[in-house]
Amino acid sequence: DAMVIQNPRYQVTQFGKPVTLSCSQTLNHNVMYWYQQKSSQAPKLLFHYYDKDFNNEADTPDNFQSRRPNTSFCFLDIRSPGLGDAAMYLCATSRSQGRNQPQHFGDGTRLSIL
Amino acid sequence: AQKITQTQPGMFVQEKEAVTLDCTYDTSDQSYGLFWYKQPSSGEMIFLIYQGSYDEQNATEGRYSLNFQKARKSANLVISASQLGDSAMYFCAMREDSNYQLIWGAGTKLIIKP
Repeated sequence: DAMVIQNPRYQVTQFGKPVTLSCSQTLNHNVMYWYQQKSSQAPKLLFHYYDKDFNNEADTPDNFQSRRPNTSFCFLDIRSPGLGDAAMYLCATSRSQGRNQPQHFGDGTRLSIL
Repeated sequence: AQKITQTQPGMFVQEKEAVTLDCTYDTSDQSYGLFWYKQPSSGEMIFLIYQGSYDEQNATEGRYSLNFQKARKSANLVISASQLGDSAMYFCAMREDSNYQLIWGAGTKLIIKP
């Protein structure tokens, strides 16, 4: 039973056309994360929420935004995708930000830009 | 300086053999956690095993064990009796008490040969 669910699994959009990726969780975890992962690289943290507190990484591009309307759902909005935004986007959750808390990931959304 | 170093970009291992994936880390924190994740070619990121800096015993989870040598700052993953399904990218990651982010290594691509 999937506990962190990402939709869609594959997303194709046009250059400059806004796109939204979604993530939901059944773990009731407090923290939700969005990562970008390019081919053969480690994931790169874009933002995270601790409950409703939003934390944006300093080098996250301005055209990336996020929403967390409730505990279960989190969205990644890319306002004007460029070719460089083609990547795998991973959503993760953790119970807290304690150092012993693993992050649990969804299956990812692979984003392509035409 | 690299905080997590995985020196093996790729490894080939015969099925049923044991395999050790290397990970060394660098931190001045006394309190930290170490994680291993598996990422098959399908893209999902799977949490495998955790070791806390104060844990005296090496962590084990089924066929996975973590060879933790604190003085040498190494946290190698050992997979016993490898299977074809173990073929994947493996990431070592660290969470320091002083930093909410997971710090990732570059990963090791493991291929199990039949």
